[in-house]
Amino acid sequence: ETGVTQTPRHLVMGMTNKKSLKCEQHLGHNAMYWYKQSAKKPLELMFVYSLEERVENNSVPSRFSPECPNSSHLFLHLHTLQPEDSALYLCASSQDSSPSYEQYFGPGTRLTVT
Amino acid sequence: AQKITQTQPGMFVQEKEAVTLDCTYDTSDQSYGLFWYKQPSSGEMIFLIYQGSYDEQNATEGRYSLNFQKARKSANLVISASQLGDSAMYFCAIVEGNMLTFGGGTRLMVKP
Repeated sequence: ETGVTQTPRHLVMGMTNKKSLKCEQHLGHNAMYWYKQSAKKPLELMFVYSLEERVENNSVPSRFSPECPNSSHLFLHLHTLQPEDSALYLCASSQDSSPSYEQYFGPGTRLTVT
Repeated sequence: AQKITQTQPGMFVQEKEAVTLDCTYDTSDQSYGLFWYKQPSSGEMIFLIYQGSYDEQNATEGRYSLNFQKARKSANLVISASQLGDSAMYFCAIVEGNMLTFGGGTRLMVKP
């Protein structure tokens, strides 16, 4: 396994479903991130974790719930989503949470909410 | 004002030619950094190049170079000798303190 992996790559869910996105990094990094990329909008930072503790939450609705059980894994739990939540969700990791370090991104999960 | 502005939503370049992707930024911080990332159609984001605000020389990484003009608050990406595989979205981003903010991106299309 190399770099940052994300599963699933594609997900279609109804508004009443509960699902989770998974991210795993094999780089020995201490910081992990969730981003949302909607069509025609800049990439939005959702959550930042450093050494398994959340250090940043950019006013994300509570229907998105992150979990970081260890420095290699990051989850995004989804429940009662809205159609406007359909987007590409990218996970990234970096050596630490100082943004001066380059971030390594996963391939993303393309989420469609119906 | 937007933190990062990429005014070119789409650009074409002929294979083997050089292309410049524009990026202007807005910050009152003295210490900041600028990144460029590439996003191919597969979706993943690939780090290309980084320029710190105190770096005196323009950053270069292979075929990528950053034309950093601090007074004008611009950090344009120059790709030399374009290749077909360079066709992708390109994002400029600024880091200030603990915040990393991305621009809206430029779609580059390389013509054979």
